[in-house]
Amino acid sequence: DAGVTQSPTHLIKTRGQQVTLRCSPKSGHDTVSWYQQALGQGPQFIFQYYEEEERQRGNFPDRFSGHQFPNYSSELNVNALWLGDSALYLCASRSGQGVSDTQYFGPGTRLTVL
Amino acid sequence: QQQVKQSPQSLIVQKGGISIINCAYENTAFDYFPWYQQFPGKGPALLIAIRPDVSEKKEGRFTISFNKSAKQFSLHIMDSQPGDSATYFCAASKNGANNLFFGTGTRLTVIP
Repeated sequence: DAGVTQSPTHLIKTRGQQVTLRCSPKSGHDTVSWYQQALGQGPQFIFQYYEEEERQRGNFPDRFSGHQFPNYSSELNVNALWLGDSALYLCASRSGQGVSDTQYFGPGTRLTVL
Repeated sequence: QQQVKQSPQSLIVQKGGISIINCAYENTAFDYFPWYQQFPGKGPALLIAIRPDVSEKKEGRFTISFNKSAKQFSLHIMDSQPGDSATYFCAASKNGANNLFFGTGTRLTVIP
């Protein structure tokens, strides 16, 4: 049973560019969340998708957007990249919106903005 | 504003010793308190989690102690092993395992 998978593993972009990161949830999971983890910090919640809609959003600007597909996979898009966007981007999945389910994290995509 | 405060920032423990990491929170609406372990280059992996209706939960060598009145919770790692060397994050959320607020992490080093 594959866990949460993310692609690509590493990515280097320059300021002003746009980037798309991809996530496939754990089998049986239908809810996907994205987190940003700056070096030496804890992950920070970006947003969560369920039933192809954004359900919750953290304190991130509109440059960060996402999408969830009918097969529950998800994309994170970041426009107008700036140096501060350099971080490990983590995808987490869970089943449903109930209160008793665990979030499982993927290995992350390391984004470097030059 | 940091919703969950974690200490210490780093911890060095002898093999076989007890590692203790502490967290504090302010939002009384939080109802789910997990601990995650993260190795370099990997995503966080859930270790153990607790809800506020119990004061302690134990799974193998890992124990969470929860003090609702003090709004604090801690992770105890008994018989610490070199393989436990990693960064540990506490977290908290409302309405179960949704939007998680993470602490800043504790880098644990277990020396042989």
